[in-house]
Amino acid sequence: DTGVSQDPRHKITKRGQNVTFRCDPISEHNRLYWYRQTLGQGPEFLTYFQNEAQLEKSRLLSDRFSAERPKGSFSTLEIQRTEQGDSAMYLCASSRWESSYEQYFGPGTRLTVT
Amino acid sequence: SQELEQSPQSLIVQEGKNLTINCTSSKTLYGLYWYKQKYGEGLIFLMMLQKGGEEKSHEKITAKLDEKKQQSSLHITASQPSHAGIYLCGADKDAGGTSYGKLTFGQGTILTVHP
Repeated sequence: DTGVSQDPRHKITKRGQNVTFRCDPISEHNRLYWYRQTLGQGPEFLTYFQNEAQLEKSRLLSDRFSAERPKGSFSTLEIQRTEQGDSAMYLCASSRWESSYEQYFGPGTRLTVT
Repeated sequence: SQELEQSPQSLIVQEGKNLTINCTSSKTLYGLYWYKQKYGEGLIFLMMLQKGGEEKSHEKITAKLDEKKQQSSLHITASQPSHAGIYLCGADKDAGGTSYGKLTFGQGTILTVHP
């Protein structure tokens, strides 16, 4: 098992552009989570999936954000019309549903919007 | 929703020293989780506490949950440079004990250990 992977690790984009991040969870994990972390803060919950179903979206997630997990495997997080305030580390995590507190995190994608 | 406050925000110690990090909740905790993060990387799960008065250890790291289940402490004995990183406490985002994995975290405590 290679753990949770995320791609890309770093992304620099200009304001107004669209970006997409990918997360590959641990294969036997049916839960997948997205968090956002800014400097000096803990991660903030954005959304999560049980298999392919998106169960909840945080109010932090504006209409410009969309996440998918087709076929219950990898997930993508897309941000449309990026703003400077979107600059952050985007973390993906996965877990088994019965031990959802024990989440395995990926290394994150650092987004910089210029 | 649950809010967690950690103290101190940062800590610098000499190798071999003991240290304590505190995590205080605004509401009763039904599950308190400690994670460690190395700079620029993802989080690593350390341990979970659920019962009032519970204490768990992992190598030289011990965590306790107080009887009232509103405060937790993480204690490192004889710190080593490998202990350096950011320690985060987490809890269920929605108070009530139903953990669906929607976690909220404290702001983190940055630990530096000088050799």
